[in-house]
Amino acid sequence: EAQVTQNPRYLITVTGKKLTVTCSQNMNHEYMSWYRQDPGLGLRQIYYSMNVEVTDKGDVPEGYKVSRKEKRNFPLILESPSPNQTSLYFCASRGFGTGGSYEQYFGPGTRLTVT
Amino acid sequence: GQSLEQPSEVTAVEGAIVQINCTYQTSGFYGLSWYQQHDGGAPTFLSYNALDGLEETGRFSSFLSRSDSYGYLLLQELQMKDSASYFCAVRVNTGFQKLVFGTGTRLLVSP
Repeated sequence: EAQVTQNPRYLITVTGKKLTVTCSQNMNHEYMSWYRQDPGLGLRQIYYSMNVEVTDKGDVPEGYKVSRKEKRNFPLILESPSPNQTSLYFCASRGFGTGGSYEQYFGPGTRLTVT
Repeated sequence: GQSLEQPSEVTAVEGAIVQINCTYQTSGFYGLSWYQQHDGGAPTFLSYNALDGLEETGRFSSFLSRSDSYGYLLLQELQMKDSASYFCAVRVNTGFQKLVFGTGTRLLVSP
């Protein structure tokens, strides 16, 4: 089954404690992206990656890091989480040459609470 | 910069037709997408318009007017399961093509 998986699905942590949210896709997609979703603000892009070892900032990258060492994986790293990073996070992927639909496939989401 | 506007909430009854509008101001516009998100779920792709006109997929249709920077999602024969949030998203080229999402429209379908 074609899918994007994220772990953990729920996480409660404390300020300053480093954490990593994993994302993996099994569709051999080149493009992967992280979004955060907050009430009234829609989905905002944090980082994206066009392929292995190619990453760039999205619209709200402050406080986050990413890496793309393998095509299937795109972890999101919070080196020193703060309460304003409490949010719902989605990983997404897309293959190039998808017939023009530009469809992105989203993971199930990770609800993060930083106290 | 990019900005999109869509209503925050729309209500309708089962069997009715509802239209969710989206206006945008962007540079490097390539196309307009729509995504559906149920409470607690992930966004799922509904449609994409790159050219002016109407695209129909079952009960859902999507329209784009590039000259008016405007599009809409039309849902026909509404069902309770259509209660969800609907996001428009513009595909733009700012050095690399990406999606910029609107803030979403919550659709409430009542019996």
